[in-house]
Amino acid sequence: DVKVTQSSRYLVKRTGEKVFLECVQDMDHENMFWYRQDPGLGLRLIYFSYDVKMKEKGDIPEGYSVSREKKERFSLILESASTNQTSMYLCASHGRTGTFKSYGYTFGSGTRLTVV
Amino acid sequence: RKEVEQDPGPFNVPEGATVAFNCTYSNSASQSFFWYRQDCRKEPKLLMSVYSSGNEDGRFTAQLNRASQYISLLIRDSKLSDSATYLCVVNNNDYKLSFGAGTTVTVRA
Repeated sequence: DVKVTQSSRYLVKRTGEKVFLECVQDMDHENMFWYRQDPGLGLRLIYFSYDVKMKEKGDIPEGYSVSREKKERFSLILESASTNQTSMYLCASHGRTGTFKSYGYTFGSGTRLTVV
Repeated sequence: RKEVEQDPGPFNVPEGATVAFNCTYSNSASQSFFWYRQDCRKEPKLLMSVYSSGNEDGRFTAQLNRASQYISLLIRDSKLSDSATYLCVVNNNDYKLSFGAGTTVTVRA
């Protein structure tokens, strides 16, 4: 089975801190995604990457950046954390093959970030 | 208008009951459709893909109506373990997925 691993389940950070959320997948997937999930709003796409060193903005990129130096790792960076970035952050990946239509994404277990 | 809309529920049903709910999508060019299940404080997990002809997986049946742009999920013979939030997910002509906010189902003994 594909495994998507997020480095932390729970994080508490202070306002203004720089925060790194790490995501690693072990199935050589080209495509990786970062979402945040908030009650009543569902999952919203922050950034995604189709390949190493490639990144594209999603629907809510403001206040975030990403890094993809290696194929298996996709990092989300909060340059200066703010309280409105308190949320559940979910990383996902999938391969660029026909199986996408049958299997969608595989998600990591999520990081619940609280900014105080 | 949101790209994917769902009735948030909650749908409270007794064990053994049938529960069904829909979701609507706004992009007529959407290509692929999925139902994901999400347990409290856990990540979403794929429940089933939804095919044009409709498909069944055990007690779960998914239907797609392209003309009216909605998909449905029906759960027969509900179990306590079916209590979860069900996310309607749509893919357009790329690799990004758009998620509904979820429908909460609670099955009571």
